[in-house]
Amino acid sequence: AQSVTQLGSHVSVSEGALVLLRCNYSSSVPPYLFWYVQYPNQGLQLLLKYTTGATLVKGINGFEAEFKKSETSFHLTKPSAHMSDAAEYFCAVSEGSGGYNKLIFGAGTRLAVHP
Amino acid sequence: DGGITQSPKYLFRKEGQNVTLSCEQNLNHDAMYWYRQDPGQGLRLIYYSQIVNDFQKGDIAEGYSVSREKKESFPLTVTSAQKNPTAFYLCASSPRQGHQAFFGQGTRLTVV
Repeated sequence: AQSVTQLGSHVSVSEGALVLLRCNYSSSVPPYLFWYVQYPNQGLQLLLKYTTGATLVKGINGFEAEFKKSETSFHLTKPSAHMSDAAEYFCAVSEGSGGYNKLIFGAGTRLAVHP
Repeated sequence: DGGITQSPKYLFRKEGQNVTLSCEQNLNHDAMYWYRQDPGQGLRLIYYSQIVNDFQKGDIAEGYSVSREKKESFPLTVTSAQKNPTAFYLCASSPRQGHQAFFGQGTRLTVV
């Protein structure tokens, strides 16, 4: 079965510093990978996704992630943190067949940005 | 605007009562999902449906029930058999051939 591990339940960075949120997955087939962001008491918003093709994926709000098959990783980065980036971030892998999308989520990483 | 609407945003339930959470989408998506979110545990799948009048149990279906009588609607009932129902519930949908899920704004259920 597929699974997702997010290293670090809480990450704290200074405004303007690099953001690095780690995600490792297990999958027996080529995966579809996603990063979602959640603000307090809100639903999840898609940041970016990897399906096929280029392994470096750019998303919204300046975030990007790189799919590394040899390391089974899909880490999320942003060069310079902004206060508005404070939120919870979820990595997910797609599992399923027949066209539907059953997402398996990691436990989440809460990002704090301080002045 | 197209999207997924969950209602109500906050819901309080007395112990022993059943309660139904609403989820409506106008994205014309075939598949719909219900997830439960607890602090530090990510999202866990309760039920999912690929087509009308068909649905399957997810990882934590005990104490929950669903129906899919219309493509647009996928209500979730939290029954009295659910021992710990206090949580944040998220509904999502995706196209039949797509892999991106779109989420509603969630319903926070509290047992009082």
